[in-house]
Amino acid sequence: QSVLTQPPSMSAAPGQKVTISCSGSTSNIGNNYVSWYQQLPGTAPKLLIYENNKRPSGIPDRFSGSKSDTSATLGITGLQTGDEADYYCGTWDSSLSAGVVFGGGTRLTVL
Amino acid sequence: EVQLVESGGGLVQPGGSLRLSCAASGFTFSSYQMNWVRQAPGKGLEWVSYISSGGSTIYYADSVKGRFTISRDNAKNSLYLQMNSLRADDTAVYYCARENGPHAFDIWGQGTMVTVSS
Repeated sequence: QSVLTQPPSMSAAPGQKVTISCSGSTSNIGNNYVSWYQQLPGTAPKLLIYENNKRPSGIPDRFSGSKSDTSATLGITGLQTGDEADYYCGTWDSSLSAGVVFGGGTRLTVL
Repeated sequence: EVQLVESGGGLVQPGGSLRLSCAASGFTFSSYQMNWVRQAPGKGLEWVSYISSGGSTIYYADSVKGRFTISRDNAKNSLYLQMNSLRADDTAVYYCARENGPHAFDIWGQGTMVTVSS
C-alpha cells in the first residue's frame, strides 16, 4: 500500500487529454516538491516533471504538472499511442520514516 | 553521454549477500546526490536509499534499514549497495538514479535484477 494514492489505470483515445491524480498528506506532497515519471514497458523510469510543474529539457509541453495542498496532477494533452505507459508520482515524506515515496503507479492505455 | 550502468545482480539464497555497483559517466559524479530505487516484478517503484554528494548524509527505507548499506567512491565515479540478510521480498530490479533538484531523479540506469530464492 503506497503512501501516495494514484488511480491504478486510466484510458483515453488518441488526441484526447488525460489527468492523473496523486493524493498524499501534509507530511509529503503538502510540504515538498512533486516529481512525475513515465515508465515505458521494459524500460527504466524517465523524469517528466520536477518541482511540481517544471519539465526537463526534451520533454514536450504536452506534459504538465500542478500541485494544490496535498494533491498533485499530471496532465497529458494530444495523447499518442507512444504515451501508453506507467506513470508514477514521487516526493519526499518527512514523517518518522523519512524518505522518498512513490505513488502506486497509473497504467495509461491509449486506445 | 550521461550514463549510469548497474551491475552485480543475480540469484542469491535467502540470508545471503550481494553487492551492487553503479558506474557513472558523462557528468561530475561527485557533485550529485544519488539514490537506489527498486521495482519488484509487476509492482511499482520503491525507494531504497539515498547518499549525499560527499557521502556524509545517508537515508534508508525502513524495509532495508540495518540490512543494506549505501556507499560511494567519487574517485571511481561509482555508487554501491551492499545487501545482507537478503529475503525473498528483496527480489526486484534495482536502479541507481541521479538526484537533480529536490528529490527528482533525472538519470536512471538500466537496472540490475536481484532474485532471492532457494
